[in-house]
Amino acid sequence: ETGVTQTPRHLVMGMTNKKSLKCEQHLGHNAMYWYKQSAKKPLELMFVYNFKEQTENNSVPSRFSPECPNSSHLFLHLHTLQPEDSALYLCASSQEWGNEQFFGPGTRLTVL
Amino acid sequence: QKEVEQNSGPLSVPEGAIASLNCTYSDRVSQSFFWYRQYSGKSPELIMSIYSNGDKEDGRFTAQLNKASQYVSLLIRDSQPSDSATYLCAVRADGLTFGKGTHLIIQP
Repeated sequence: ETGVTQTPRHLVMGMTNKKSLKCEQHLGHNAMYWYKQSAKKPLELMFVYNFKEQTENNSVPSRFSPECPNSSHLFLHLHTLQPEDSALYLCASSQEWGNEQFFGPGTRLTVL
Repeated sequence: QKEVEQNSGPLSVPEGAIASLNCTYSDRVSQSFFWYRQYSGKSPELIMSIYSNGDKEDGRFTAQLNKASQYVSLLIRDSQPSDSATYLCAVRADGLTFGKGTHLIIQP
C-alpha cells in the first residue's frame, strides 16, 4: 500500500459511454498526476495538478477531462473514448511537484 | 528538452549474479534520482532514491550516481527470479522525468 488508491480497478466501456476514474491520496501530498501506460509502452504523463491547479496538459485529447476538487482527490472524466485509449491509467502523488512520486494501483481500462 | 535514457533490454542475468542497470540524463542541473520497479500489469514502486555522488546501499540494491558523467545506475546483488521486472529511472529537474525502463529477466 502506497497511500494512493484508485477506483475502479477495472473498467470496460463502450465508445459512447461516460465514466470517471477516481484517485485519492492519504499522504498529505500537494501534487497529483495522471499517467497512461499502454501495453509494453513507457509511461505517458497526461496531467499534473500542483496545489489543485493544473500545471501541465501534455496534448491530451479533450475526451479526457481532469478534475481536482482538493489536494487529496483527482478525477479523470472519460467521454466518447476510442479503442486505442485502452490502457492502464495510473495516478500518482508527490509532496511537491518534481519530488519522488507514489503510484496508485491503476485502473485497467478497456474500450470496446 | 530533458531526456532520460535507458536500454530497453531485455537484460538477462543468471540467478545469483549481479544485475547492473544504467541510466543517463541530459539535464546537468538534475537534483534527485530515483529507481522504480514495475512488475507486468502493476504500478511502479519506488525502490531507491539518491541525491549525491557516490553509492547508496539498501539491502541487495545499490544505487550509484555520477553527476559529472550524468549517469545513475542500479546494482542488484544475488539476483532472484522475483527481481524480474521493468526498472524505471526517474530524474528530477523542473519536474520528474521517467526513462522508458529496462526489462530485466533473472534466469533460474
